[in-house]
Amino acid sequence: SAVISQKPSRDICQRGTSLTIQCQVDSQVTMMFWYRQQPGQSLTLIATANQGSEATYESGFVIDKFPISRPNLTFSTLTVSNMSPEDSSIYLCSVAPPTGDWETQYFGPGTRLLVL
Amino acid sequence: QQQVKQSPQSLIVQKGGISIINCAYENTAFDYFPWYQQFPGKGPALLIAIRPDVSEKKEGRFTISFNKSAKQFSLHIMDSQPGDSATYFCAASIHSGYSTLTFGKGTMLLVSP
Repeated sequence: SAVISQKPSRDICQRGTSLTIQCQVDSQVTMMFWYRQQPGQSLTLIATANQGSEATYESGFVIDKFPISRPNLTFSTLTVSNMSPEDSSIYLCSVAPPTGDWETQYFGPGTRLLVL
Repeated sequence: QQQVKQSPQSLIVQKGGISIINCAYENTAFDYFPWYQQFPGKGPALLIAIRPDVSEKKEGRFTISFNKSAKQFSLHIMDSQPGDSATYFCAASIHSGYSTLTFGKGTMLLVSP
């Protein structure tokens, strides 16, 4: 399995500001994913980020609100732009391993965001 | 439309008992069914997974039972322990070049001492 870290682990932000969340993996992976988990809720996929291509966003999520970068095979960022209290959530990145059981996803510890 | 329905929403089991969590899916194209365990303040961790070519998979105290005709699968935790208290998510995905997981809504399990 991959070891995934996220920064920051938590943050409190003001309405209207933006926050960039970093996801670092200890091995090279092709596919990285960003999820949102609202309090007490399930995980909702925001977008898939493959290195060397534009991120693919799920229905209900747009690039202007959640721009994603994927500069190399071990790193990605998700920006939550022009935040509102409704953006208060846990944001999780996950990766699919490049070999073996590629349908498996391994998750980072999450970034807990509170927007005031 | 929720594609993976999970029940119950919460579950209390005595130590040593069997915990059973059920999931049902609608999309017959799903061909990979993992279960994730999430402790408070942590990210989900892969627990066990099954493909539709087998009806059961066991890893230690954790067993997945799969019923393809009924489009249902379940997680059984034998000899449940207080350390198993967590939220459990079932998920499903389609073998399509990359894995997009569809998650159930989760079950909060409490194992009482």
